[in-house]
Amino acid sequence: LAKTTQPISMDSYEGQEVNITCSHNNIATNDYITWYQQFPSQGPRFIIQGYKTKVTNEVASLFIPADRKSSTLSLPRVSLSDTAVYYCLVGGGSYIPTFGRGTSLIVHP
Amino acid sequence: DAGVIQSPRHEVTEMGQEVTLRCKPISGHDYLFWYRQTMMRGLELLIYFNNNVPIDDSGMPEDRFSAKMPNASFSTLKIQPSEPRDSAVYFCASRQDSRETQYFGPGTRLLVL
Repeated sequence: LAKTTQPISMDSYEGQEVNITCSHNNIATNDYITWYQQFPSQGPRFIIQGYKTKVTNEVASLFIPADRKSSTLSLPRVSLSDTAVYYCLVGGGSYIPTFGRGTSLIVHP
Repeated sequence: DAGVIQSPRHEVTEMGQEVTLRCKPISGHDYLFWYRQTMMRGLELLIYFNNNVPIDDSGMPEDRFSAKMPNASFSTLKIQPSEPRDSAVYFCASRQDSRETQYFGPGTRLLVL
């Protein structure tokens, strides 16, 4: 089972780019990498998913190196509303990945 | 689609009482998950269903917890008898078969006094 490791917390300021790295050394060939975001008093919500190289959507970018043993979620020009917990999950098919504790991002004015 | 619907949104009960949490998944989703979230333990998977059949309930804390999915559009999580340590936010989530994206409901905040 692929296990992920990510920082417990991060701090940033408005307007900065934030990069959150997740390690997943035991990722399997058919595993995808998925990131979720959770605001206080809400359930987690999907923000981005990738398999290799780079994926970009209107919210974030996901960078995955060739060995796929890690991934980096990049949030461009964060605002106060990006303060949330970010979860990195690895899995594929019928495997149900675990959320863990995630990374608590605090954006300061 | 209205998304995953959970009820009630808040529940306050006394120790020893039965608590029933309800969930309506997104139409067409084959998987349904029940999670519990606390500050101490984070987000824990309790049980999940595939096509209404319980697949893995290894996360259910003890026999006081039970979950059912009588049809594709409804599931319940029951705690009997409830204890103060069951106080948490309980989330229901669903996903389409073979896709990794889970869609979460708003959660039920349970407080057992």
